[in-house]
Amino acid sequence: DAGVTQSPTHLIKTRGQQVTLRCSPKSGHDTVSWYQQALGQGPQFIFQYYEEEERQRGNFPDRFSGHQFPNYSSELNVNALLLGDSALYLCASSSLLAAYEQYFGPGTRLTVT
Amino acid sequence: GQSLEQPSEVTAVEGAIVQINCTYQTSGFYGLSWYQQHDGGAPTFLSYNALDGLEETGRFSSFLSRSDSYGYLLLQELQMKDSASYFCAVRDKNNAGNMLTFGGGTRLMVKP
Repeated sequence: DAGVTQSPTHLIKTRGQQVTLRCSPKSGHDTVSWYQQALGQGPQFIFQYYEEEERQRGNFPDRFSGHQFPNYSSELNVNALLLGDSALYLCASSSLLAAYEQYFGPGTRLTVT
Repeated sequence: GQSLEQPSEVTAVEGAIVQINCTYQTSGFYGLSWYQQHDGGAPTFLSYNALDGLEETGRFSSFLSRSDSYGYLLLQELQMKDSASYFCAVRDKNNAGNMLTFGGGTRLMVKP
């Protein structure tokens, strides 16, 4: 049973560019959440998708947007990249019945230069 | 909003017992989770407490006191592989979804 997968593993972008990160949830999970983790800090919630709709959003600007597809996979888009967007982006999947237990993917390391 | 406080670093020797504390402030509360993250890896779920008391899973135990807004993770018979960062996280009733708010993490270093 495949766990949560993310692509790409690493990414280097230039300030002002746009980026798309991808996530496939663990089999049987219908909810996908995205987190940003700066070095040495805890993950910060960006948003969550369920049934192809954004269900909840953290304190992130509109430059951060996402999408969930019918197969529950998800994308995170970031526009107009800033140097401060450099971080590890984590995708986590869960089921509504066990919301406290989220399964994280390996993350995408984004570097903005 | 929510806030969680945990020590930034803890050092212990192999075979010892270590306790990582977490205090939280939230206006509503479902429960407290603990995650482990090795350097360069993804957070992995360790335990969850919705009710007061101790939950034991092998060498790891987690405790919650809702009245004190306090919990801890207890690691017994420490092994070198336990060197990692440990995060407490809350899911609170003000959130419609499964949003987790994480603490800043405690870096545990296990020495021989």
